[in-house]
Amino acid sequence: DVKVTQSSRYLVKRTGEKVFLECVQDMDHENMFWYRQDPGLGLRLIYFSYDVKMKEKGDIPEGYSVSREKKERFSLILESASTNQTSMYLCASRGQGYEQYFGPGTRLTVT
Amino acid sequence: EDQVTQSPEALRLQEGESSSLNCSYTVSGLRGLFWYRQDPGKGPEFLFTLYSAGEEKEKERLKATLTKKESFLHITAPKPEDSATYLCAPIDRGSTLGRLYFGRGTQLTVWP
Repeated sequence: DVKVTQSSRYLVKRTGEKVFLECVQDMDHENMFWYRQDPGLGLRLIYFSYDVKMKEKGDIPEGYSVSREKKERFSLILESASTNQTSMYLCASRGQGYEQYFGPGTRLTVT
Repeated sequence: EDQVTQSPEALRLQEGESSSLNCSYTVSGLRGLFWYRQDPGKGPEFLFTLYSAGEEKEKERLKATLTKKESFLHITAPKPEDSATYLCAPIDRGSTLGRLYFGRGTQLTVWP
């Protein structure tokens, strides 16, 4: 079974802090994705990566950056957290058939 | 413009009352369509992939079907444990990087 893990289930940070969310997959997948999910807005793509050190912007990249130094690990960085970045953050990796496998999510609260 | 529309937004069923969820899409060429189940506070769980019109996939009380413009998730004799949000996502044939466009989901509640 594919396993995607995320570093934290719940996180509380203060406005202006730099926040790191980490995601690890164990299936040697090349493509990995970061989404945020908000009530009424569904899943929105922030960034994705198709290889080590390669990245593409999604629909809402503003205020975020990513890092992929190793194939199995994809990090999402909030450079200066703001209250409107309070959300559920979901990481996914892509299988051979283009299906995506999701991690359990990180519920981030910025106060 | 949304590429994926799911209906209804919410559905309440009594246990044993069968129904269908709809996913309509407007991608130019379909490579595949995926269905997911999401429980509150958790990540989406992959259910099915459908690749071509006429294809069907089944898993327990769920059956997914695909036409050229829409997909249906049929739920037969549902149980309370089927309560969840169901998401669909088509992938365009031109997508080489595997980006999916998710619908907003149908929130299903099955009461005893």
